Amino acid sequence: GAGVSQSPSNKVTEKGKDVELRCDPISGHTALYWYRQSLGQGLEFLIYFQGNSAPDKSGLPSDRFSAERTGGSVSTLTIQRTQQEDSAVYLCASSLPPGGKSYEQYFGPGTRLTVT
Amino acid sequence: AQSVTQLGSHVSVSEGALVLLRCNYSSSVPPYLFWYVQYPNQGLQLLLKYTTGATLVKGINGFEAEFKKSETSFHLTKPSAHMSDAAEYFCAGLIYNQGGKLIFGQGTELSVKP
Repeated sequence: GAGVSQSPSNKVTEKGKDVELRCDPISGHTALYWYRQSLGQGLEFLIYFQGNSAPDKSGLPSDRFSAERTGGSVSTLTIQRTQQEDSAVYLCASSLPPGGKSYEQYFGPGTRLTVT
Repeated sequence: AQSVTQLGSHVSVSEGALVLLRCNYSSSVPPYLFWYVQYPNQGLQLLLKYTTGATLVKGINGFEAEFKKSETSFHLTKPSAHMSDAAEYFCAGLIYNQGGKLIFGQGTELSVKP
């Protein structure tokens, strides 16, 4: 079946511009996660959505970062007024609701963001 | 705070040799533990996981890992390395009552020499 998809695969933007990154989770997965992978910081958790519950935003590095999930499916991560330190690969993952026997997160291929 | 530590950012082995990638966790509650592999320009692929039950878990591509609570470790092994195993490997932990977010180690890049 279809896995997690992300778009665009690559994004180059100028410092100060806003960007939107999209994630399509696996059908039926109610949990969705965003992570950031950068050379200096490794893999960091950003935000977590589970069903209709309030998202866990504890990993967002600043108020320039926001995310939403519409209709319990597609998610968009928005970075406003991008800075060079935002350059990284942004990974999305989805899973069945955490609990029971299923804790596996399935990752998309990522969006490589370069801020010039 | 919970943390996951991988010893060695780069490991090099010869083809056919044992692969050992080390992972330790720091948590007041034993987390669920995972190993992921990342090939260049790709996302993360789950190799294996430990949640409950048997402490020796087998994964894909001949990898296995053993959860040792007394040592707070979850090292990844493979008896015989193959050239196709060259990739970056990430150990991750998840605290089951704190949502589903994964806490990752720093990653270990595995090189396999012919």
